[in-house]
Amino acid sequence: ETGVTQSPTHLIKTRGQQVTLRCSSQSGHNTVSWYQQALGQGPQFIFQYYREEENGRGNFPPRFSGLQFPNYSSELNVNALELDDSALYLCASSWFAEGTQYFGPGTRLTVL
Amino acid sequence: ILNVEQSPQSLHVQEGDSTNFTCSFPSSNFYALHWYRWETAKSPEALFVMTLNGDEKKKGRISATLNTKEGYSYLYIKGSQPEDSATYLCALHGGNTGNQFYFGTGTSLTVIP
Repeated sequence: ETGVTQSPTHLIKTRGQQVTLRCSSQSGHNTVSWYQQALGQGPQFIFQYYREEENGRGNFPPRFSGLQFPNYSSELNVNALELDDSALYLCASSWFAEGTQYFGPGTRLTVL
Repeated sequence: ILNVEQSPQSLHVQEGDSTNFTCSFPSSNFYALHWYRWETAKSPEALFVMTLNGDEKKKGRISATLNTKEGYSYLYIKGSQPEDSATYLCALHGGNTGNQFYFGTGTSLTVIP
C-alpha cells in the first residue's frame, strides 16, 4: 500500500510568481485535504476535495485554488505569491470526508 | 473560525512518567475530534478519531477521552518512552461553518531517558 506522497519537497519562489504543489493520495482514498503550516502555528485548513469537487474551504483568498483528478491525486495552486505564503504545505488523504486523515511529508515553500 | 487551544505548549518528562495534554474547543457542533502525533522530519500520524461525548479510545500506552459538553479532550501517555517524543496535535472537524478542520498549535513532548 503506497502512502501519501507530495512533490516537490522544497521550493523557492519570488513574490508575484505562481506555484503548483502536487499530492498523490493513498491507494483507495477519495478525499484530499490541503493545509498550510506557518512557523509556530498549527496547520491551517485550506480546502478539501472529495471525488473531484471542492468540499469545504478555509479562510484563504481565491488565489489559492485546487484540483482533484479522476485518480484522486490533487494539486494546490497559489497565484501572485506573497512573502507570507512561505510555509510548509501538507496534504492528507482519507476514505471519506470525515475519515482518518493520512498525511504526506509536506512541501516547504519559501517566497523571497 | 473555531479557536482550538492546546496546553501545555511544551512538556519535558522523565522516561517512565505518565503525562497528559489538553485540547479545548468552544463548540459541541462538530463531526469529530482528531489526535495526531508528529515526529520531527516525519508526516503527522493519526492516533484517534473521536465522535461521541464520553468517547474513550486507547492504542497501547496512549489513550484519549472526549467531553463535548464541556469542550475538551485529554490525551494520556502512560509510562512515557523516548520514542514518544513528538508534537501532539488535535483537530476539530466540522462545526457551524461546515466541513472544515481546525488544528491547535500542538503540545511538544520531550521524554528524557
